[in-house]
Amino acid sequence: GAVVSQHPSRVICKSGTSVKIECRSLDFQATTMFWYRQFPKKSLMLMATSNEGSKATYEQGVEKDKFLINHASLTLSTLTVTSAHPEDSSFYICSARVWASGTSYEQYFGPGTRLTVT
Amino acid sequence: GQNIDQPTEMTATEGAIVQINCTYQTSGFNGLFWYQQHAGEAPTFLSYNVLDGLEEKGRFSSFLSRSKGYSYLLLKELQMKDSASYLCAAPSGGYNKLIFGAGTRLAVHP
Repeated sequence: GAVVSQHPSRVICKSGTSVKIECRSLDFQATTMFWYRQFPKKSLMLMATSNEGSKATYEQGVEKDKFLINHASLTLSTLTVTSAHPEDSSFYICSARVWASGTSYEQYFGPGTRLTVT
Repeated sequence: GQNIDQPTEMTATEGAIVQINCTYQTSGFNGLFWYQQHAGEAPTFLSYNVLDGLEEKGRFSSFLSRSKGYSYLLLKELQMKDSASYLCAAPSGGYNKLIFGAGTRLAVHP
């Protein structure tokens, strides 16, 4: 299957600082990537849809000024958590879509980034 | 609206067969996904069904009935390493964004 990478895999930062997480599609181009967060023992919650060359589309309740998304190229999307607080501590996972045919696709996930805000 | 339901937890015995059910309601239909997620790791793709019927991939099979809004994941010859969460997901809305169910935590015991 297609490979999606994320960096860093783990990050610890102090409250009030900003953290950038990178998501890359390694062997394919992704016009659309998705960012999710996951709390322990909970399912994935979609935060936003990242579109190459345009503004991200945020889900209801997700602050766009706090979670800045930039999809600068067909292989890279970044999520920046600004002015992080302990409640932002979570597992952040990106995902990219690969079209298998005109109507069929698969969606692959990066390995995730565990953010801890102290 | 959209809603995806699956059981919270299941247990099964090594070597046995287990079926994990999923019911869904989405605006429009563009297929249904199953993912496996081990604790602390990202989900890995298992299957994608867009047509009715059963699709088999080795020990794992996935079934879809669009008229009933129902799918199941069938795991055969269970192994200890199959202990994980199994997530049912369906594309919905703009960009067919993937919406997940709460996940079913499967525990396989000897």
